[in-house]
Amino acid sequence: GNSVTQMEGPVTLSEEAFLTINCTYTATGYPSLFWYVQYPGEGLQLLLKATKADDKGSNKGFEATYRKETTSFHLEKGSVQVSDSAVYFCALSEKDTGGFKTIFGAGTRLFVKA
Amino acid sequence: GAGVSQSPSNKVTEKGKDVELRCDPISGHTALYWYRQSLGQGLEFLIYFQGNSAPDKSGLPSDRFSAERTGGSVSTLTIQRTQQEDSAVYLCASSWSGGLGAGELFFGEGSRLTVL
Repeated sequence: GNSVTQMEGPVTLSEEAFLTINCTYTATGYPSLFWYVQYPGEGLQLLLKATKADDKGSNKGFEATYRKETTSFHLEKGSVQVSDSAVYFCALSEKDTGGFKTIFGAGTRLFVKA
Repeated sequence: GAGVSQSPSNKVTEKGKDVELRCDPISGHTALYWYRQSLGQGLEFLIYFQGNSAPDKSGLPSDRFSAERTGGSVSTLTIQRTQQEDSAVYLCASSWSGGLGAGELFFGEGSRLTVL
């Protein structure tokens, strides 16, 4: 079955450091890929997405490229800020009977120190 | 409403009692999901409704858990004979089934359940 694997956290970085959170997936078809973010005390929200191979999703300085050849969707940011401290979830969504079923990775907690 | 609405936002109950959690999805969304998030943990899939299809119940942890979705809209997650390990935040999400936004989930704020 489909699955999503992301790097374990927590990840602790200093402000302005480069961030990479790895995500790989297995899927039987051609899923859409997502990163969701959960800031402290808030609900989950979509950060970025990519719907087909070689697409790059981007938002708030974060980027991720859909790599079909390596089945990966790694999240990157060139210079993190304290406000980026949150839990990041990688997810895939693939067409199921009549709709799209979404599964999530385990989440990676990011701490950014001033 | 404008977003996914869940109630109650907080529920404290005694071990052995039954609880019901409600989710009101975004109007027009045909897919509805329930997830569970324990303290500091990831998202555990519980159940998925898609239109009129039979729900995917593969994530329900035991037969004490059940869910229904009436009229293709509001959903209720019921936990019978609650146990302390059921304490968690229960998240509901809904999504479109087609078009550019297909697969993107919109989450409610969650219902925090504490079983004493």
